[in-house]
Amino acid sequence: QSVLTQPPSASGTPGQRVTISCSGSSSNIGSNTVNWYQQLPGTAPKLLIYSNNQRPSGVPDRFSGSKSGTSASLAISGLQSEDEADYYCAAWDDSLNALYVFGTGTKVTVL
Amino acid sequence: EVQLVQSGAEVKKPGESLRISCKGSGYSFTSYWISWVRQMPGKGLEWMGRIDPSDSYTNYSPSFQGHVTISADKSISTAYLQWSSLKASDTAMYYCARHGSGSFGYWGQGTLVTVSS
Repeated sequence: QSVLTQPPSASGTPGQRVTISCSGSSSNIGSNTVNWYQQLPGTAPKLLIYSNNQRPSGVPDRFSGSKSGTSASLAISGLQSEDEADYYCAAWDDSLNALYVFGTGTKVTVL
Repeated sequence: EVQLVQSGAEVKKPGESLRISCKGSGYSFTSYWISWVRQMPGKGLEWMGRIDPSDSYTNYSPSFQGHVTISADKSISTAYLQWSSLKASDTAMYYCARHGSGSFGYWGQGTLVTVSS
């Protein structure tokens, strides 16, 4: 089961700013970097943010990430219809033999 | 271009064995770990385990340890996920993903496994 907690849903109208939170613990977010993945309907996940706030080549700068203590957040500014997707945070966890843990996932709806 | 190409969808009966594959291309296969991720119908992502293709060292999530086996054949740049006895609860989409910078920057297209009597 997931050890990183996210809100199940978030929504906004086109152009708005939406933020998604991700809460963990000292063994994962508190001691490792956070990654974010976007999963469009019926497709494989895609890396959106790595190392807390770095965007891979090709990811629009509308997406930004931050981390503080044992929590992290993803912000989507200037929301667009194509941003409607599931978003997952993730981090390595040092508690047991280096596990990778995903968040519970957040469904973003563009109203 | 980095690509991970997975084997096709499978339909199996409970108790049967199965091995699915993930072939890497466009990069040095032995330089990057490969992980497997499960997504049950309508559910979130779950990390199953990973393998270092250079020496086949593996580590597993406790949730999957003993239920699946991850392996690799570096001579053909392919990683595998296998079950010796499938259960209906193994019905899911399975993704392979390549490590890099502490994250999974490249993903396979997914393999749908359906286990039904």
